[in-house]
Amino acid sequence: ELKVEQNPLFLSMQEGKNYTIYCNYSTTSDRLYWYRQDPGKSLESLFVLLSNGAVKQEGRLMASLDTKARLSTLHITAAVHDLSATYFCAVKETSGSRLTFGEGTQLTVNP
Amino acid sequence: DSGVTQTPKHLITATGQRVTLRCSPRSGDLSVYWYQQSLDQGLQFLIQYYNGEERAKGNILERFSAQQFPDLHSELNLSSLELGDSALYFCASSEGANREQYFGPGTRLTVT
Repeated sequence: ELKVEQNPLFLSMQEGKNYTIYCNYSTTSDRLYWYRQDPGKSLESLFVLLSNGAVKQEGRLMASLDTKARLSTLHITAAVHDLSATYFCAVKETSGSRLTFGEGTQLTVNP
Repeated sequence: DSGVTQTPKHLITATGQRVTLRCSPRSGDLSVYWYQQSLDQGLQFLIQYYNGEERAKGNILERFSAQQFPDLHSELNLSSLELGDSALYFCASSEGANREQYFGPGTRLTVT
């Protein structure tokens, strides 16, 4: 059974600082997603990572994938308050279409 | 706006009751997925349909059932509701079985 673990689960940052969220998964996968969720809202797709070594950047967020280590990272650069949200990684197994989600990282950026 | 619609947005009901959640996928998407988000279990996959056929099942209780209709909309039926069924239920759709899933706004179910 595929297991997905994120850490940290809670992250409180100062504005302007950098930090990284980690996502480990237990079996082979052919794609990994990062989502953002604001309280009570739906999931907003941030990145889709398809291959080993993939790196994608959007604004202050950068995601990478190491399929050999079964590890993805979401790096936050110079955090701003608007980035406060819960971030999920989700892994799709090579066979099948279901997504298995990590526990989520609740990010709070303080002024 | 993902293009996936879900109704109702909120539902409050009593234990033992039965409810139906509805999902309309994006135009052209054949696959529909249901996920449950609760404080206890996190976000978990329930069931997938593709062009009217059940394709995959996850941690879906026997009290729950789903179907996808010829017009591709889907319904999730929850019966004999318990307090622990209170959750946010998301529907997602994708063009094909291995394409990106787009999530609807969710239905918040509260069982009292």
